[in-house]
Amino acid sequence: EAGVTQFPSHSVIEKGQTVTLRCDPISGHDNLYWYRRVMGKEIKFLLHFVKESKQDESGMPNNRFLAERTGGTYSTLKVQPAELEDSGVYFCASSQDWGAGELFFGEGSRLTVL
Amino acid sequence: QQQVKQSPQSLIVQKGGISIINCAYENTAFDYFPWYQQFPGKGPALLIAIRPDVSEKKEGRFTISFNKSAKQFSLHIMDSQPGDSATYFCAARSGYALNFGKGTSLLVTP
Repeated sequence: EAGVTQFPSHSVIEKGQTVTLRCDPISGHDNLYWYRRVMGKEIKFLLHFVKESKQDESGMPNNRFLAERTGGTYSTLKVQPAELEDSGVYFCASSQDWGAGELFFGEGSRLTVL
Repeated sequence: QQQVKQSPQSLIVQKGGISIINCAYENTAFDYFPWYQQFPGKGPALLIAIRPDVSEKKEGRFTISFNKSAKQFSLHIMDSQPGDSATYFCAARSGYALNFGKGTSLLVTP
């Protein structure tokens, strides 16, 4: 069974540009999460989807970040326009049942903003 | 504001030794405390988890000790092996979100 896949694995862009990260969760997992780790800091929650609905987006840093999950399958996270402080590793995770606890993480998308 | 504080930042242990990583929290609403293991280039993977009504959980060489009154929990790796060398994250769940510690880089020397 395929795990959580993320694309791209690494993206280098200039300040002010736009980047879109994609996440394909494990098949059948209704719950999808985005997390981010900025260098030297902890992994931080960004938001949580249940199917196509945003359940909790309290961790989204500002309105330059837009997450979507059309059709309840894959998800995209767009950063527009990117700023230097957006650099970090963006992790996607999925779970079948959020109450059960285990999140399955992808390998992450490293974003470098120059 | 960091909700889960993890120490040490890095740890070197000899093969066969015991690795101990500690975490502390303040929010008593946390209801689930997992530990994740991450190898370079990979995503974090669930290692072991505990709920606050249990004081200890053991799975193989890995044990979580949980002290609810002190709001602390720790991971013990017995008989540490070079293959255990990785970054370990403690976390605590509130609502839909996991709050992670900053991670501990563990190196087990042969």
